[in-house]
Amino acid sequence: NAGVTQTPKFQVLKTGQSMTLQCAQDMNHNSMYWYRQDPGMGLRLIYYSASEGTTDKGEVPDGYNVSRLKKQNFLLGLESAAPSQTSVYFCASSETVLSGYGYTFGSGTRLTVV
Amino acid sequence: DAKTTQPTSMDCAEGRAANLPCNHSTISGNEYVYWYRQIHSQGPQYIIHGLKNNETNEMASLIITEDRKSSTLILPHATLRDTAVYYCIVRVYGGSQGNLIFGKGTKLSVKP
Repeated sequence: NAGVTQTPKFQVLKTGQSMTLQCAQDMNHNSMYWYRQDPGMGLRLIYYSASEGTTDKGEVPDGYNVSRLKKQNFLLGLESAAPSQTSVYFCASSETVLSGYGYTFGSGTRLTVV
Repeated sequence: DAKTTQPTSMDCAEGRAANLPCNHSTISGNEYVYWYRQIHSQGPQYIIHGLKNNETNEMASLIITEDRKSSTLILPHATLRDTAVYYCIVRVYGGSQGNLIFGKGTKLSVKP
């Protein structure tokens, strides 16, 4: 089925290492998002992109960077991983950032920083 | 965006209707009510949304009180696969904040 694809599904990093989480959508959605979810918590927005080529900070952007060079892709970078970044990361997309309607989420990337 | 209050957990018997309440007493006139659910370890899934009229789709019904201070998500015939955390979210339409605020939601357990 079409939707949002995240890679990798699992990753273990050592403190200080860098990596990029990849997200791709094939629904021609304009807006994309990165969330993190810590155990027992709701999702928190890291960064979002209202449209291709634009990005904005969300609630918890520190320690992350993003890139939206193509409409279908939204990349989340960790420059120097820290144990506090151990979490499940979800990418999502929607037709527009203006509404909370119809976000489609990926299946998540489970990141452990040791 | 207005704050929402949901029960921490609820149980429902398989085949019965599941009624999940949400309180949003500070909702303003241009704020919509959205419902999402998250089945264990998966990404959240959009269910339904509404402004002031009741809404129904293939997944659920949304009943919003006349004063809009609360709403109820109804799953008419709950199955074991409906066991999930259900999030009630209130958000204004428009602006560019791009944020859906997911609280802790209601953990619904559907039992045989």
